[in-house]
Amino acid sequence: AQKVTQAQTEISVVEKEDVTLDCVYETRDTTYYLFWYKQPPSGELVFLIRRNSFDEQNEISGRYSWNFQKSTSSFNFTITASQVVDSAVYFCALAGLGGQNFVFGPGTRLSVLP
Amino acid sequence: DADVTQTPRNRITKTGKRIMLECSQTKGHDRMYWYRQDPGLGLRLIYYSFDVKDINKGEISDGYSVSRQAQAKFSLSLESAIPNQTALYFCATEPGQGYTHTQYFGPGTRLTVL
Repeated sequence: AQKVTQAQTEISVVEKEDVTLDCVYETRDTTYYLFWYKQPPSGELVFLIRRNSFDEQNEISGRYSWNFQKSTSSFNFTITASQVVDSAVYFCALAGLGGQNFVFGPGTRLSVLP
Repeated sequence: DADVTQTPRNRITKTGKRIMLECSQTKGHDRMYWYRQDPGLGLRLIYYSFDVKDINKGEISDGYSVSRQAQAKFSLSLESAIPNQTALYFCATEPGQGYTHTQYFGPGTRLTVL
C-alpha cells in the first residue's frame, strides 16, 4: 500500500525565515510520481511540482526548492525567505501508475508571520 | 475562465436529502476524480473515471454515487446525506495520454449536512 507522511502538522515562522516542509513516502512501485500542492486560505489546490522516481535532481523555482532522496524516501520542500503570502496548507502526494493510487499526505499548515 | 469548475461552491442541507455536486472541465482531459477533504486527513478518493464509460470506486465510495455524463462532466451524488459527509469536496482532472499523473483541481464545494 502507498502512504505519505507529513509529520509536521503546523509550522510558524517569521517573514524572511527559511522553512522546510518534510514529506516521507512509502511505495512498492518502482515507477512513481511525487507532488506538492498548495492550499491557500481561499481553499483551492494549486499544483506546485511533480517529480518522477527516476529523476533525483533537486529543483529550484524562485524561492521554492525541492530535495528528492530515494534512499530515505523523502521529498522535502524548502521555502527561502518566506513571505506572508506563503501561508497555506501544503500537501505532499504520491502517485503510482494508476489514478487510483494517488495518495495525499495529511498536509502541513504553514503560517508566516509579519 | 477557470479550467475546472464546481457547482455549487457552498451547500447546506439536511440529513436524508439527496445532493448532487457537479464538475465541469474545459481542459479536454479524459480522467476525472472526486475527493473529499477532512481536517487532518488530507484528501481521500471517492470515485474516479478514466473515460465516459469507465467508473471506479475509490477509497471511500460508500454513500456516494457518480455519473460521467460526458468527457467534460462528472457529477457526485449523495443519495441520502448524513452529517459525517460534511466536508470539502474537490473534483480533479488529469490528461489520459502521456501519463503525466498530474491532477488539476477545481475550487472545491463546501458541503454541510445538518
